[in-house]
Amino acid sequence: KAGVTQTPRYLIKTRGQQVTLSCSPISGHRSVSWYQQTPGQGLQFLFEYFSETQRNKGNFPGRFSGRQFSNSRSEMNVSTLELGDSALYLCASSPNAGGRTGELFFGEGSRLTVL
Amino acid sequence: AQKVTQAQTEISVVEKEDVTLDCVYETRDTTYYLFWYKQPPSGELVFLIRRNSFDEQNEISGRYSWNFQKSTSSFNFTITASQVVDSAVYFCALRSGGGADGLTFGKGTHLIIQP
Repeated sequence: KAGVTQTPRYLIKTRGQQVTLSCSPISGHRSVSWYQQTPGQGLQFLFEYFSETQRNKGNFPGRFSGRQFSNSRSEMNVSTLELGDSALYLCASSPNAGGRTGELFFGEGSRLTVL
Repeated sequence: AQKVTQAQTEISVVEKEDVTLDCVYETRDTTYYLFWYKQPPSGELVFLIRRNSFDEQNEISGRYSWNFQKSTSSFNFTITASQVVDSAVYFCALRSGGGADGLTFGKGTHLIIQP
């Protein structure tokens, strides 16, 4: 069974640009969550999607957005990039949504560097 | 607000020693879930265990064991007879029963097992 796939794995952008990251969940999983990992703030929840609907959103500015498609694949977008957006962005999938979720299955992440 | 504290930033032990990783949490929810994840250098978070707030039984899985104590709001993780392959960053995480706000992670403990 293929795991969670994130693309691209590495990317470099400059301030002011925008970026789109992609996540393909494990087959059959309908929930996709996104997390940002930085050395200073650690792992922080961005948002969760289930059946194409955003269920929860973390405390991030509106520059961070996402969506989920009918095949459960998800994308997140960051507009007007800032230096502080440099981070490892992790995607996780699970069969269910919310508190009934068992373990989350994480991808290897997309490492974004903003220059 | 929820909070997870992993006071140990880094632990270094010699192979075959036992090691305990501490985790203390704060939440106002009566129903919640606790998790431990392992993050090897590849970046993906690997699920180790989930405990719900109504299940205080300790658990043992091979060389791994977990001690959940609601009275002290702690969920500690012990590795017995550590091995070099156990070297990784370990995260403790908390999620409310309602599932809002995703997982709240601790800052992680970097475990180094020296041969």
